[in-house]
This record gives sequence, structure tokens and C-alpha cells, in this order.
Amino acid sequence: DTEVTQTPKHLVMGMTNKKSLKCEQHMGHRAMYWYKQKAKKPPELMFVYSYEKLSINESVPSRFSPECPNSSLLNLHLHALQPEDSALYLCASSQDQQGAYNEQFFGPGTRLTVL
Amino acid sequence: GENVEQHPSTLSVQEGDSAVIKCTYSDSASNYFPWYKQELGKRPQLIIDIRSNVGEKKDQRIAVTLNKTAKHFSLHITETQPEDSAVYFCAASRRYRTSGTYKYIFGTGTRLKVLA
Repeated sequence: DTEVTQTPKHLVMGMTNKKSLKCEQHMGHRAMYWYKQKAKKPPELMFVYSYEKLSINESVPSRFSPECPNSSLLNLHLHALQPEDSALYLCASSQDQQGAYNEQFFGPGTRLTVL
Repeated sequence: GENVEQHPSTLSVQEGDSAVIKCTYSDSASNYFPWYKQELGKRPQLIIDIRSNVGEKKDQRIAVTLNKTAKHFSLHITETQPEDSAVYFCAASRRYRTSGTYKYIFGTGTRLKVLA
């Protein structure tokens, strides 16, 4: 299996809702990433997990809460989001994060709309 | 600061012509430079990459060149086809100071249109 999968594909939520995005990979990768991508913009790094520990948090608001239950799974818990948080949320994984030459494999993304 | 500039932002070429996209990075410690292609509504996919100890790399119709002194790298697509139409992002991998791990800094993207 050489793919990163994400669920759901689309999500519409109100500002008071709590929802979660899920990401899974079975490539044995030990680094997993969450990116946010607005239309016509590059992916913007949010969080990185390395060996199931949070290694990078790019000063993301606390209404986004990441979780890495095991080496294959990555979640992003959402609470009290704002309409400006509407975007494509991409998950990615790589062999690890210690080497400089690590290709990142991206999932198809979750298209999030906050009403 | 960390920054990757990418030009042009849009590029239209006739089918069969070549396309060139250029990126400039600011951190001299960057040592890995991947290029991703993102079709509309799809995930970014790696199309070619280059390490800092190499000046050029080619894979069929796609090539990447790197000039470390000038801190710029370029993507070259020859004999373009309509299916090459997409947004292309360059990136530079740099070491994150506090944790010692690596992350990508992405360029702003180039929308390539290949006209049939």
C-alpha cells in the first residue's frame, strides 16, 4: 500500500460543532504532517508528528488539536472553527523527519467548509 | 527568514513547446528541492526532486537544474502535453532550528496551461 488516505472527503460544519479529520498510511512511515491549503495557494504546514510525538506546531490556534494514536494514524480534532478556516486540509507522510531527503506523500485532502 | 519565490505565477504554452518554472530560496542550508504537481481537486504529487550535491536531474520530459551559488532551481518540461496542465509547486527542505527535524518551504505555485 503506497497511499495516504483521508476521511471524510468533504465536511461542512457550524462554528459550534466538534468534528475530526482522519488520516491513515501503511507505508511504515514515521513522520506525518497536517497542512492547510487555501485556493490558489501552496500548502501551509500546521503540525508534524515524528515517531508519534509532536515535533512541530506552526503556532496553530488551539481550536485545531492534532493527535497521533499510533504510527499509522493521524487525527485533527476541530472545535469552534471560524469561516476563515474553510480550506483543503492535507495529510502527508514521509519515511521519517530526521533526514534531509525525505519525500512527502500527500493524501487527497478533506475539503472543509465552516458556516 | 525562510522564503521560496516562484515565477511565473501563470504560464500558457502551446502543446509541444517547452515550459520553464523558476524558484529562488533564501536559506543556504536548504539541501533538498522537490517539485510537486497538483491537478485541480487532487493531491500534490512529487514529479521530480534534486539534492544539493547534484546540478541537474532528468526524468523523460522533465528536468530540474540547481544553482546553489545563486540559490535558484528550475523545472523544465519539454514537449508539453495537455495533461501537463496543473499547478506546480517547488519546495526547499530546511532544518527546523528548535527540533533539528526537516520541513518543506513551498513556493507560491505556477498555474501551467498547455493549449492544444
